Amino acid sequence: KQEVTQIPAALSVPEGENLVLNCSFTDSAIYNLQWFRQDPGKGLTSLLLIQSSQREQTSGRLNASLDKSSGRSTLYIAASQPGDSATYLCAVGGATNKLIFGTGTLLAVQP
Amino acid sequence: AAGVIQSPRHLIKEKRETATLKCYPIPRHDTVYWYQQGPGQDPQFLISFYEKMQSDKGSIPDRFSAQQFSDYHSELNMSSLELGDSALYFCASSLEQGRSSYEQYFGPGTRLTVT
Repeated sequence: KQEVTQIPAALSVPEGENLVLNCSFTDSAIYNLQWFRQDPGKGLTSLLLIQSSQREQTSGRLNASLDKSSGRSTLYIAASQPGDSATYLCAVGGATNKLIFGTGTLLAVQP
Repeated sequence: AAGVIQSPRHLIKEKRETATLKCYPIPRHDTVYWYQQGPGQDPQFLISFYEKMQSDKGSIPDRFSAQQFSDYHSELNMSSLELGDSALYFCASSLEQGRSSYEQYFGPGTRLTVT
């Protein structure tokens, strides 16, 4: 059974700092991995999708990497801003594309 | 750009009542997924449909049923509601599930409160 874990569970950083969020999964037989952002009580906003054949994806200040063989992904956020404060979720997709979500990292960027 | 539409956005029901949640996918998307997110928890996959056929099933209670219609919208029917069913229910859509590599776009969710 696929299990997805995110470390750290919570993170507080000063504005402007670069940071890394970690995601690990137990079964490397994934088709893709998606990073999401969720604001309190709100929906999920897709940030980046990495196909299993890819190593990384970039969007603006965000960069996500995938090491499928070791069951790891990282989300790098450059020059963090208070507006980046949210919960970040990674999710892995299998053959039917259903997503299995990680436990999330609650990020607070202090002005 | 058009997004996934869910209705209603908020729903309050009493125990043992029934509820129907609706999802309208992004135009041309042929696959719909339902997820349940309890308070303080990560989203859990319930069920998915591709071209109106069930494609996968997760931890969905027998009291729940769902279907996808000819216009690709989907409905999640929940009966004999329990207090533990209170959660945020998300619908997501994607294109061409058969390629298993497409991005899922999530709707804003329906917040169900069972009293």
